[in-house]
Amino acid sequence: SQQGEEDPQALSIQEGENATMNCSYKTSINNLQWYRQNSGRGLVHLILIRSNEREKHSGRLRVTLDTSKKSSSLLITASRAADTASYFCATDSSQRYQLIWGAGTKLIIKP
Amino acid sequence: GAGVSQSPSNKVTEKGKDVELRCDPISGHTALYWYRQRLGQGLEFLIYFQGNSAPDKSGLPSDRFSAERTGESVSTLTIQRTQQEDSAVYLCASSGIGGSGEQYFGPGTRLTVT
Repeated sequence: SQQGEEDPQALSIQEGENATMNCSYKTSINNLQWYRQNSGRGLVHLILIRSNEREKHSGRLRVTLDTSKKSSSLLITASRAADTASYFCATDSSQRYQLIWGAGTKLIIKP
Repeated sequence: GAGVSQSPSNKVTEKGKDVELRCDPISGHTALYWYRQRLGQGLEFLIYFQGNSAPDKSGLPSDRFSAERTGESVSTLTIQRTQQEDSAVYLCASSGIGGSGEQYFGPGTRLTVT
């Protein structure tokens, strides 16, 4: 069964606006990761947040984690055309080496 | 090499034929993963190799699927008697620590079974 589920499935915004994507999961985790996938660069790791962390920043990315709600959000500020991609959250599982992936949020940045 | 490489990048095959997909992980990475991604969907775990330990094959969808890895180097994923439902992108990833940390992905092999 799917551990991570992203919301919304698709998001279209104007360049310069902020984009927020959410991820919900079902069981306890050690960490949660966000990845980006586009046709140019394939699947790329963005950020990892551990279960004892609540917020993490990397450049224009801000990730929050609420373990009580079993949810995470990814905020991309000042979006650019190059941010157009699918964004996936991935959580670890009872088999700690295995990541469980959501179906992703497709983000389109309109110029 | 600088990153994970996979070959071929695209493969079109007829139903019933066997295919072999190759993955070259990042040098020194002990963990290697194979995933399948169907169009518009997330990643489906197939198999995991960690060093010289027995691989975790729990994600392989049928006995037509098999994978090998020699030591901490190249891995091959073989699909025998391909079916149309095998059409997908097959992604390989490697990781330095073998836990639930960051994984580095190859560009994938797009398999189309006609």
